Amino acid sequence: SQQGEEDPQALSIQEGENATMNCSYKTSINNLQWYRQNSGRGLVHLILIRSNEREKHSGRLRVTLDTSKKSSSLLITASRAADTASYFCATEGAQKLVFGQGTRLTINP
Amino acid sequence: DGGITQSPKYLFRKEGQNVTLSCEQNLNHDAMYWYRQDPGQGLRLIYYSQIVNDFQKGDIAEGYSVSREKKESFPLTVTSAQKNPTAFYLCASSISYRGADTQYFGPGTRLTVL
Repeated sequence: SQQGEEDPQALSIQEGENATMNCSYKTSINNLQWYRQNSGRGLVHLILIRSNEREKHSGRLRVTLDTSKKSSSLLITASRAADTASYFCATEGAQKLVFGQGTRLTINP
Repeated sequence: DGGITQSPKYLFRKEGQNVTLSCEQNLNHDAMYWYRQDPGQGLRLIYYSQIVNDFQKGDIAEGYSVSREKKESFPLTVTSAQKNPTAFYLCASSISYRGADTQYFGPGTRLTVL
């Protein structure tokens, strides 16, 4: 069962620009997580935002959560080539963590 | 170093053979998970274990089996009953089994059926 849906599916920007990815979900959540996956590697946890939080920062990452719209966004500021990866949102569904299909981000030098 | 390891990194299997993928963690986590990832897709849950000697089917358990005899280890067997086993397999663990717990992932095993 798909809980989180990322948008866009793919994003290509120039180094130094900001990248924004969105996640929409269907049912009420306690929190939402964002993960990153470099090509051919495992996922790495980036940030967790709780349902009572609206915004959270971690270095160049900024995550927002709008529970009324059932959506979240991940902003990466001042992008670098090393940010090239797939980014997944994950939400709790049926007592399991459910991952979206991800946004493939490419940073062009 | 604390972490979660998977072996082998690449695995080739002939049709009709069973293969076992290894997953070990030294994070002292109670919960462990196996996911399957197909190209350009998200993760689908195969099996999970909340605690040693217990495991539950996930969304796509058919053709797979697991065991959890030790807290540190959660091997996955891909049986010949799995019709399309070629995929990237990811193991993960979390402190406890709550759907919202942060999961820590291994580097993955890429299985190819010849």
